[in-house]
Amino acid sequence: AQSVAQPEDQVNVAEGNPLTVKCTYSVSGNPYLFWYVQYPNRGLQFLLKYITGDNLVKGSYGFEAEFNKSQTSFHLKKPSALVSDSALYFCAVSAQTGANNLFFGTGTRLTVIP
Amino acid sequence: DSGVTQTPKHLITATGQRVTLRCSPRSGDLSVYWYQQSLDQGLQFLIQYYNGEERAKGNILERFSAQQFPDLHSELNLSSLELGDSALYFCASSPGQGRSNQPQHFGDGTRLSIL
Repeated sequence: AQSVAQPEDQVNVAEGNPLTVKCTYSVSGNPYLFWYVQYPNRGLQFLLKYITGDNLVKGSYGFEAEFNKSQTSFHLKKPSALVSDSALYFCAVSAQTGANNLFFGTGTRLTVIP
Repeated sequence: DSGVTQTPKHLITATGQRVTLRCSPRSGDLSVYWYQQSLDQGLQFLIQYYNGEERAKGNILERFSAQQFPDLHSELNLSSLELGDSALYFCASSPGQGRSNQPQHFGDGTRLSIL
């Protein structure tokens, strides 16, 4: 069975500092991994995905994520945080075979402090 | 704008009632997914349709049902509503055959409040 853990409910970072939002996963076989962002009263917006290949994935708005198979992690990163990055971030996993529905983590609220 | 349209945006009703939520997927997307987001359960997959046929089922209650029509829009029907059904219901769609490596694109959701 697939599952995702986001160990931090809340992450605070100062504007201009690097940010990291953590995610670990469990899946049978090789995973497909995704990051989504949710702004208030809006749906989830796709940021980036890992399918195969390079462990460092670049996505929208300057975000990137590093896939680490041995640690079963897929942490979201950005070199310099903006106040407008403040939102709820979700990590999700799906299996490469079988049903392709996403399993989401519980979300991490990122607050960027001016 | 994701291209996924959900109506209505808000729905307020009473326990025991029945409601229908509607979703129009992005142009060209054949797969539609329904999710429920609540404070205590988080974001949970309910059901997926691909080109009119049910493809996968998640934590969907028997009181809930869905269908996808020939024009690819989908409806989620919730009946015998309980207070605990109050949540944000999202529809998402994905392109092609709905392969698991394709990102899903989400609508802005329908907020259901049961009084």
